[in-house]
Amino acid sequence: EPEVTQTPSHQVTQMGQEVILRCVPISNHLYFYWYRQILGQKVEFLVSFYNNEISEKSEIFDDQFSVERPDGSNFTLKIRSTKLEDSAMYFCASSELDGPYGYTFGSGTRLTVV
Amino acid sequence: AQSVTQPDIHITVSEGASLELRCNYSYGATPYLFWYVQSPGQGLQLLLKYFSGDTLVQGIKGFEAEFKRSQSSFNLRKPSVHWSDAAEYFCAVGAMEYGNKLVFGAGTILRVKS
Repeated sequence: EPEVTQTPSHQVTQMGQEVILRCVPISNHLYFYWYRQILGQKVEFLVSFYNNEISEKSEIFDDQFSVERPDGSNFTLKIRSTKLEDSAMYFCASSELDGPYGYTFGSGTRLTVV
Repeated sequence: AQSVTQPDIHITVSEGASLELRCNYSYGATPYLFWYVQSPGQGLQLLLKYFSGDTLVQGIKGFEAEFKRSQSSFNLRKPSVHWSDAAEYFCAVGAMEYGNKLVFGAGTILRVKS
């Protein structure tokens, strides 16, 4: 069964450092997403991406965040200057269709900012 | 605003007993409904989804869920729980009017005692 692959599974970074979280979506999927889950809290939508553009973003997704599909297979989330409160599990997802039909999620990257 | 409520933070059931996890939503549109499961350290796996049609939907691992529009509910059920079902379960809702994003409930942690 096709999978969404995320690397690394766990990343520790110092406050103020830049991090890039990487995702390889399912190959025939066209819509890509990032969600995050702060420990003990809800899974929250960050951003959706289609046709090399952000299609929607949440209030959480401020100027510190950016997304990119650099090479046609990877989908990355960059946090420019990490804060302690960015510590969370970040999930990448992809979908084949346009619409809230549900996605395939990756296994997540646990980001710890110290 | 869209919201999803999972009233039970923790539920403990005996192995072999039946299970019902509750989910209520508040949406100003026709909802698309999902249940995901997350085992510790793992990603979000889709159990089942409802878009339209028969209000009782079958999913993987023997789970089913029933959409009740009058109660704004989409409760997850399983007739006989196995120890391997211990995990966290998330209800999620989307709607075409709100784009591709999903709104998640806070999750219910299921413990199974032998």
